[in-house]
Amino acid sequence: SQQGEEDPQALSIQEGENATMNCSYKTSINNLQWYRQNSGRGLVHLILIRSNEREKHSGRLRVTLDTSKKSSSLLITASRAADTASYFCATDADSWGKLQFGAGTQVVVTP
Amino acid sequence: GAVVSQHPSWVICKSGTSVKIECRSLDFQATTMFWYRQFPKQSLMLMATSNEGSKATYEQGVEKDKFLINHASLTLSTLTVTSAHPEDSSFYICSAHGTSGLTDTQYFGPGTRLTVL
Repeated sequence: SQQGEEDPQALSIQEGENATMNCSYKTSINNLQWYRQNSGRGLVHLILIRSNEREKHSGRLRVTLDTSKKSSSLLITASRAADTASYFCATDADSWGKLQFGAGTQVVVTP
Repeated sequence: GAVVSQHPSWVICKSGTSVKIECRSLDFQATTMFWYRQFPKQSLMLMATSNEGSKATYEQGVEKDKFLINHASLTLSTLTVTSAHPEDSSFYICSAHGTSGLTDTQYFGPGTRLTVL
């Protein structure tokens, strides 16, 4: 079963704009990860945030985590057409590394 | 970074046949590998956890006799879809969970698209 829910389901923006997507989960976690998937391809790991962290940055990506609300957000700043992809959050379901994925947000960036 | 490969990248087969998909960790040893399936425009659903040298652990609702998993070495896990039917058509993705130094991140293979006619 899926742990996380993401919103919005789809997001259409223009190049240069920021894209924000949210993820909510149900159970306690050790960490939360964000992945990107281009159509028909495998997943690319973007960023991992641990349960004791509140915010993390990586290039144009900013991730926040609010464990009290069981939610996380991913912000992509100054978006580019190449950012067009589906973005998934994933939480660790157990200590063995099993991941539960959110439903995903499909982002389309138009030039 | 760590690389995981899958073979084949796509396969078309007739209904009733069996298909084997390989997942390899190329530059690290993976004690645990995971198999997911993904239907179009949907998220990844975990099918099973594959541990080297032991039986796979299947998620609820996944038929273990239908989806045979073998993890014979620290760098190779295989998923065999037995007696495939059109409803088994999907995108199958594996991931590898490394040993020390890679424990927090899973590395995903590029996926295998299975089409059953």
